[in-house]
Amino acid sequence: EVQLVESGGGLVKPGGSLRLSCAGSGFTFSNAWMNWVRQAPGKGLEWVGRIKSKVNGGTIDYAAPVKGRFSISRDDSRNTVYLQMSNLKSEDIAVYYCATGDAASVGLDYWGQGTLVTVSS
Amino acid sequence: QSVLTQPPSVSAAPGQKVTISCSASSSKIGNNYISWYQQVPGTAPKLLIYENNRRPSGIPDRFSGSKSGTSATLGITGLQTGDEADYSCVIWDSSLSAVLFGGGTKLTVL
Repeated sequence: EVQLVESGGGLVKPGGSLRLSCAGSGFTFSNAWMNWVRQAPGKGLEWVGRIKSKVNGGTIDYAAPVKGRFSISRDDSRNTVYLQMSNLKSEDIAVYYCATGDAASVGLDYWGQGTLVTVSS
Repeated sequence: QSVLTQPPSVSAAPGQKVTISCSASSSKIGNNYISWYQQVPGTAPKLLIYENNRRPSGIPDRFSGSKSGTSATLGITGLQTGDEADYSCVIWDSSLSAVLFGGGTKLTVL
């Protein structure tokens, strides 16, 4: 059974940093393209970024609102993908989900349960 | 405001059929595949349709997808109260190297 478990969410002050983790199991993690998607309270889903598998070049792409502030990385030995967030703003308040897949073709096929990030002084 | 436009809400009675549209400029949809996601409030999204009209295993054939020109449509037949959820369309925008989500449509089964 495929499982994705996010962790690392919490309360952080404006301008602060936070690192989210997403641990995967039940599939070959090293072959998976991993995405981060967020959802602000009462709002729709917003893609944050994606890291391809190393065999596909490991390319990383980001959404415009987070480019330069957020960084995605992966550790295939730990079956984990990370989202390093810095210079956090109130507009970054959201539940952050990790999801596997390629939105350009097979879709985002498996999702974690999400972790909440709150930015407040 | 999302580049992919969806109606904010739709509603229909149990057993009926409903369609949810997703429209964009031709430069956005073009030859790109659309996928659709269902999100029951308080839970994670779930993939319903990928590559415009394909269903992952376990998704009933009550759910269907189509794409024509600059729009895509999600169809749901035999509506059930359990279908009440938010539905979002998604596309890969190769010009931005980014995934775009529609604004989402809230389905109410009356």
